[in-house]
Amino acid sequence: DTAVSQTPKYLVTQMGNDKSIKCEQNLGHDTMYWYKQDSKKFLKIMFSYNNKELIINETVPNRFSPKSPDKAHLNLHINSLELGDSAVYFCASSQVTGGATDTQYFGPGTRLTVL
Amino acid sequence: EDKVVQSPLSLVVHEGDTVTLNCSYEVTNFRSLLWYKQEKKAPTFLFMLTSSGIEKKSGRLSSILDKKELFSILNITATQTGDSAVYLCAKGGSEKLVFGKGTKLTVNP
Repeated sequence: DTAVSQTPKYLVTQMGNDKSIKCEQNLGHDTMYWYKQDSKKFLKIMFSYNNKELIINETVPNRFSPKSPDKAHLNLHINSLELGDSAVYFCASSQVTGGATDTQYFGPGTRLTVL
Repeated sequence: EDKVVQSPLSLVVHEGDTVTLNCSYEVTNFRSLLWYKQEKKAPTFLFMLTSSGIEKKSGRLSSILDKKELFSILNITATQTGDSAVYLCAKGGSEKLVFGKGTKLTVNP
């Protein structure tokens, strides 16, 4: 059983389009994250949700809108895609104890290419 | 601002060599230091360190934390070509992890 899964694995689209990426975890964790990894492999947090509530929003353009229908799912919707959005997007989950994250487990990533 | 600095940025060695990867961090909100290995896809967890001076080991990999000097090292002995990857260090302390830029390790046969 896959612990953290994402769909799709690859996404190629034109500039200006709107697209969504889905993430699900079956680890029973209460916190989920979206990260962006650029071409230089730098992994940077975008959002974090704890029990369906947004707790971290790291200066991400408002074209990016996360949605968490329940604590096992965190989706990412991107409006008006731009060339600079091309990257690999990783979903992760963890248990947050006493206000601090423990080990985070990552999904396989979604490689987004904007043409 | 939270900073995690890894060195070297890249390293090329031969099979059988021993390597040491370095990670330094800022003390603000520190609770744990994590190491991940990233090959072609998702980062996979290696170690989480919370106490100074206690080595964690898994096969040929080991890691230790120095909370006084604010750094951690990851050692790999008798390297194999399968160890080729980007090794990421991350500081945990609040609800998020802050990652370094990684060390790209290439092990040649």
